[in-house]
Amino acid sequence: QITLKESGPTLVKPTQTLTLTCTFSGFSLSTSGVGVGWIRQPPGKALEWLALIYWDDDKRYSPSLKSRLTITKDTSKNQVVLTMTNMDPVDTATYYCAHSSIAVAGAPDYWGQGTLVTVSS
Amino acid sequence: QSVLTQPPSASGTPGQRVTISCSGSSSNIGSNTVNWYQQLPGTAPKLLIYSNNQRPSGVPDRFSGSKSGTSASLAISGLQSEDEADYYCAAWDDSLNGQWVFGGGTKLTVL
Repeated sequence: QITLKESGPTLVKPTQTLTLTCTFSGFSLSTSGVGVGWIRQPPGKALEWLALIYWDDDKRYSPSLKSRLTITKDTSKNQVVLTMTNMDPVDTATYYCAHSSIAVAGAPDYWGQGTLVTVSS
Repeated sequence: QSVLTQPPSASGTPGQRVTISCSGSSSNIGSNTVNWYQQLPGTAPKLLIYSNNQRPSGVPDRFSGSKSGTSASLAISGLQSEDEADYYCAAWDDSLNGQWVFGGGTKLTVL
């Protein structure tokens, strides 16, 4: 059974750096074809893809946010960490991490419950 | 502004068949497969369709997907009240080193 859970601060101040951790179980990020990504959703708005890390440490980022994002993995801890610098109120959103694999053509298939991050002074 | 274009709303009555469209370009839908997600209020998105028309285990066959050129569609037959949700299309985009792109979402109302 694949599960993922996001953790991190619920409130950050403008200009601060956000660090979110995705802790997962039921799969290994060292298995060929597997990836873990981050997607966010501002309140009442659409989904926005942020970043993805693959089993071989290949990393992809949203072009519009690339300069602010870093994604890393710790295979031994079953964790993926996303950092986003220079937070702004427009970054207020629910942040999801999701599993993907070649079994479903790389589509994010299992999602965490999400964590709401509010950016405010 | 989402890369993939969906109608903001759709509606139907119980038992009816409804379709939701998703329009993209040659760098995303035109060259990669399309996925569809269902998001019930207050919950995480759920994968409904992958690879244009494949259903993950447990998804009813009332849900079907198709793709033609740079557009795709999600069809829901035998509409039920529990289908009232937001629906999103997604595809990999080959531009700028690759990225996932989503549609703006379609709010489905069951009348």
